[in-house]
Amino acid sequence: KAGVTQTPRYLIKTRGQQVTLSCSPISGHRSVSWYQQTPGQGLQFLFEYFSETQRNKGNFPGRFSGRQFSNSRSEMNVSTLELGDSALYLCASSLGLASGRGNEQFFGPGTRLTVL
Amino acid sequence: AQRVTQPEKLLSVFKGAPVELKCNYSYSGSPELFWYVQYSRQRLQLLLRHISRESIKGFTADLNKGETSFHLKKPFAQEEDSAMYYCALNDNFNKFYFGSGTKLNVKP
Repeated sequence: KAGVTQTPRYLIKTRGQQVTLSCSPISGHRSVSWYQQTPGQGLQFLFEYFSETQRNKGNFPGRFSGRQFSNSRSEMNVSTLELGDSALYLCASSLGLASGRGNEQFFGPGTRLTVL
Repeated sequence: AQRVTQPEKLLSVFKGAPVELKCNYSYSGSPELFWYVQYSRQRLQLLLRHISRESIKGFTADLNKGETSFHLKKPFAQEEDSAMYYCALNDNFNKFYFGSGTKLNVKP
């Protein structure tokens, strides 16, 4: 079974630009969650999509948005980039069962975003 | 509000010594607790979850609701255990909260 894939693996942008990151979940997984990982803050939850709907949201500004397609692939967009957005962005997929219990998250390799 | 706290950023032990990585959480309901591990140059992966009550690679973790803790333990550390360990909490709505992580360094 193929694992979670993320593209691109590395990105360099300048302040004010926007960026779109992509995540392809494991086949059969309907839930995709996005995280921002930084050395100081660890992993911070951005949002979760399930069946094309945003089901959960973290405490990030509206510049961070996402969507999910009918094949469960998900994209994350960050507009008006700031220096502080430099981070490793991870996505994780899971079965996303209704009860939310016993949901193992499978992580992708991440996209390293550098904002200059 | 901080949901998951890992007080140690770095923990160094010698091979064969016992190891305990601390995790405390705050949540009013009945959360589900996990430990994830990230070995060098590898992806973050699940190590164990409290509902399974299993031992993986010699690691165990017991959920203590009274102390709101979920500490990870291993009686005899191995060099290959050196990695970054994250404690995570899943609330009742499939939202995950991760701690800031503890880097375990097992010295030969």
